[in-house]
Parts: sequence; C-alpha cells; structure tokens
Amino acid sequence: DTAVSQTPKYLVTQMGNDKSIKCEQNLGHDTMYWYKQDSKKFLKIMFSYNNKELIINETVPNRFSPKSPDKAHLNLHINSLELGDSAVYFCASSVDHYNEQFFGPGTRLTVL
Amino acid sequence: ELKVEQNPLFLSMQEGKNYTIYCNYSTTSDRLYWYRQDPGKSLESLFVLLSNGAVKQEGRLMASLDTKARLSTLHITAAVHDLSATYFCAVAPNSGGSNYKLTFGKGTLLTVNP
Repeated sequence: DTAVSQTPKYLVTQMGNDKSIKCEQNLGHDTMYWYKQDSKKFLKIMFSYNNKELIINETVPNRFSPKSPDKAHLNLHINSLELGDSAVYFCASSVDHYNEQFFGPGTRLTVL
Repeated sequence: ELKVEQNPLFLSMQEGKNYTIYCNYSTTSDRLYWYRQDPGKSLESLFVLLSNGAVKQEGRLMASLDTKARLSTLHITAAVHDLSATYFCAVAPNSGGSNYKLTFGKGTLLTVNP
C-alpha cells in the first residue's frame, strides 16, 4: 500500500518523559510535515522538511525536535513531556510545497 | 498573518437537503484545499483548487474558489448520512516567507440526520 504511516498510533506516558513518533511515506514525495491537532480539532503546522532540509519551523517549544534521516522519513522527538502536549500529531507528505498534502493516520499522545 | 475562517462551525442537516459551507481567508491566495476528517481518523483530501473560478465536483460535493472575494464554498447536494464528518479548508498564501505554509480553518462539523 502506498501511504503515509506513523507509529505508534497511541502513546500514553507520564509528564517529564521523552518520547518519539515515527513517520514514513512511500509515495516518493520530497516534502514532509508535522501537524498538531488539539482537543478542539484545530490543526496547526509545526515543522516542514523538503528533501531532508528544515523549511518551516513554527513557534514550537524547543522540546520538540524533528529529524529527517532521509526524504522518506520524518521523526518527531519530544523531551520533558508536559500535559499540554496531549494532542493528535499528524505527519503528512506532498510532492512539493505547492501540492496537496497526504496525511498519516495520526498518533494520539496522552500525557498523564 | 493569514487567517482562515469557516462557517458555520457546526451544521446539522436533514438527509436530502442542500447546504453550503463557506471558507473566507485574509490574504491573496490561489491555492485552496478541502479535507474531510471522520471521527478518530486521518484527513482525506477532497478538492484542490488552484485558480480563480475553479470548480470541482465529486459525488454530492462541489467546491469552488473566488480568489477576488477570497472565498471558497463547499456545496452539499441532497445530503446523505455518509457525509457526516468534519470538513476543513486550508489555504496557502501567494507570497511572503511563509508561502509554503498551509493554514487550516477551524473545521465544520457536519451531521446529517435521517
């Protein structure tokens, strides 16, 4: 199946822990993104990479660090998790920044 | 900063009826996208509108773009229960340092009742 995949689908953890979410796309796209969707379903971009290069870095706490080992993968590492980090995190990819984005299934992060 | 406003945010309609969701945005753009999200699921791309006057139709949904009015509409014809979902519009500005960035509206939660 050609798609954007994310692991894990659910992540429940304690405050202060460090966790990572992985994203892979096999669509051959050059551009990948991380979005955060809050409890009111508001969707906001966090980061964007084009061919492993960081292009968009929104006002996100520096506890969040993206890493793109190659253009098919974009991982998100979060240090010192806080209650307010609880949300659904979506990875997406597109051919380039001007084309439609295809979203992964999401990772529901719950910080206790 | 680009602002994208959708209305209504909540829409409850009866099967068989027609309705329109509106998406207004605050800066010059000729790139607008509509997405659908089912509860607990991912976002599914519905329409890509890339020029003034663009109109696209898929089944009971039709989307249009008026770049001069900075307005897109998503029209629902003869609604059926399967259309119940949250619909988002997303806009990218034409210029400026952030013209790569999609800004999403808050979403319209559509419920179609029998």
